[in-house]
Amino acid sequence: QVQLQESGPGLVKPSETLSLTCSVSGGSISSYYWSWIRQSPGKGLEWIGYIYYSGSTNYNPSLKSRVTMSVDMSKNQFSLRVNSVTAADTAVYYCARTGVAGIIGWFDPWGQGFLVTVSS
Amino acid sequence: EIVMTQSPATLCVSPGERATLSCRASQSVSSNLAWYQQKPGQAPRLLICGASIRATGIPARFSGSGSGTEFTLTISSLQSEDFAVYYCQQYNIWPFTFGGGTKVEIK
Repeated sequence: QVQLQESGPGLVKPSETLSLTCSVSGGSISSYYWSWIRQSPGKGLEWIGYIYYSGSTNYNPSLKSRVTMSVDMSKNQFSLRVNSVTAADTAVYYCARTGVAGIIGWFDPWGQGFLVTVSS
Repeated sequence: EIVMTQSPATLCVSPGERATLSCRASQSVSSNLAWYQQKPGQAPRLLICGASIRATGIPARFSGSGSGTEFTLTISSLQSEDFAVYYCQQYNIWPFTFGGGTKVEIK
């Protein structure tokens, strides 16, 4: 069964770039859409965006200007970068599978989540 | 963006009783709605997609209904492991959006 695991720095300074990687095991990254979602006490669950295994992306307009997603087929991983972070970007970040071509939208399965704190 | 509103915020239910959770969309999302369960310290888990289709391995006591703007998640007989927070999510229109959650507590 497919399992996802987030990794990266847990502490990021304000104005710097948050970088996370999601490693997929038990299945191939091919043919699927993959999302990043975050959860903070103040804003609840927020979909950040998704990337298709081919590299095409779709970002939430609220974050679009600061977000970049990429995929590495050779490592079966996909990544998230959020630049110019502030304290408002402090959250638990989840990666999740989002669907296959023509059938996208729900999230299953999810990674366990990774807390990123923005602080100097 | 579509705003998802869940009610009530907290639901107190005794084990074995029925729980009914509501989710309303600010505009029609057709049947493109999912429900998730989240326990403390864990990631959300998919329960329902397509408004009424149970995900693999989800017990039959969980059922979803509705379409358009009004949706319901029903837990027919609450078990101890069902006390958690439940979220709805629409995937009809980008950006995908979640409701604020309903916490199901032991009465």
